[in-house]
Amino acid sequence: AQRVTQPEKLLSVFKGAPVELKCNYSYSGSPELFWYVQYSRQRLQLLLRHISRESIKGFTADLNKGETSFHLKKPFAQEEDSAMYYCALLRGGSEKLVFGKGTKLTVNP
Amino acid sequence: EPEVTQTPSHQVTQMGQEVILRCVPISNHLYFYWYRQILGQKVEFLVSFYNNEISEKSEIFDDQFSVERPDGSNFTLKIRSTKLEDSAMYFCASSPLGGQATEAFFGQGTRLTVV
Repeated sequence: AQRVTQPEKLLSVFKGAPVELKCNYSYSGSPELFWYVQYSRQRLQLLLRHISRESIKGFTADLNKGETSFHLKKPFAQEEDSAMYYCALLRGGSEKLVFGKGTKLTVNP
Repeated sequence: EPEVTQTPSHQVTQMGQEVILRCVPISNHLYFYWYRQILGQKVEFLVSFYNNEISEKSEIFDDQFSVERPDGSNFTLKIRSTKLEDSAMYFCASSPLGGQATEAFFGQGTRLTVV
């Protein structure tokens, strides 16, 4: 079965500091991986997906198949980055997103 | 920017009652989904719907649940006889494409409280 693990429930950094939100997955095939973000009182929204290789709001994520990881990184965190971040996996032949438990990021001034 | 809309935002119901959660997906999207999140737990997939039929469902989606697209715009989730453990945030989502091209756009959610 596919599984997504986000080991940190809470992550707190200061503004301007680098941030890395960890995501590990278990899936034997080639997954499609996503990061979703939920700002306070807003809906879940797609931040980025590995296949598009884009940088959104300064965030990047690289799929490391050897380590089965898809960590989300930003070199300089901003206060407006404070939110809940969810890593999700889509396996081949399915439309079912498998989510991690989420990491709550707080960026302090 | 088009959005998925869900109504109501909060529903309180008595155990054993039927509830219908409503969603209006983005108009040119073809794939529709329901997810739920029990407080403190993961967002979990319930069901996907394409071409007027269920394309995939999870083990959670048992006979108590059903989905319908009654007209060209609404997508509903019915829970036939609610249990206390059905209390959760229910999210509707839609995607223009399916399979590996799935890009799910989520609604704001309906918080269901079963008392």
